[in-house]
Amino acid sequence: QSVLTQPPSVSAAPGQKVTISCSGSIGNNYVSWYQQLPGTAPKLLIYDNNERPSGIPDRFSGSKSGTSATLGITGLQTGDEADYYCGTWDSSLSAGVFGGGTKLTVL
Amino acid sequence: QVQLVESGGGVVQPGRSLRLSCAASGFTFSSYAMHWVRQAPGKGLEWAALISYDGNNKYYADSVKGRFTVSRDNSKNTLYLQMNSLRPEDTAVYYCASGTYSRSDRWGQGTLVTVSS
Repeated sequence: QSVLTQPPSVSAAPGQKVTISCSGSIGNNYVSWYQQLPGTAPKLLIYDNNERPSGIPDRFSGSKSGTSATLGITGLQTGDEADYYCGTWDSSLSAGVFGGGTKLTVL
Repeated sequence: QVQLVESGGGVVQPGRSLRLSCAASGFTFSSYAMHWVRQAPGKGLEWAALISYDGNNKYYADSVKGRFTVSRDNSKNTLYLQMNSLRPEDTAVYYCASGTYSRSDRWGQGTLVTVSS
């Protein structure tokens, strides 16, 4: 059972913008976001709430407010179709946690 | 280049044991915390275990606590996951990942563990 809650699916047209929410036991912990393309390992997209690793385009952004975090993707491309997961280290549980994942469809 | 390569997966009967390995290369393995994350077929990611950079601190998900043991050999740049008393619900692709407590920067390609009689 995920401690972090994400919408099961989101969709938008190419070129549009989409946001994916993540809520739950975030507290003061840093949130990360991962992209998992079909049949591949997850890839880090955002860390420390809003930082992008080298090589991640600025079409991807992260934000956090209170107990919720949001991943934003602008200029949607068909290659962005994937599952997206939020994750954090829950210091109160001393455990890592992931959201249930959100499937992005680019119509 | 940076690489994490898992091995040791396979088919195992319920109640038996299996040890996974994760060989790291291309970065300073001993400087990073390491995670094991698993993904059951068709399901989402589930965090399983974490070991600190020096091996002194280990943490487990409730679902594997008492059955799985994470360890590392920094002299061999290798991470391990000893899995005992395996259950059908442990069937998953197991990924190793390096990073910090709050993020996983680099991921391996995963190794499939199937627990079935």
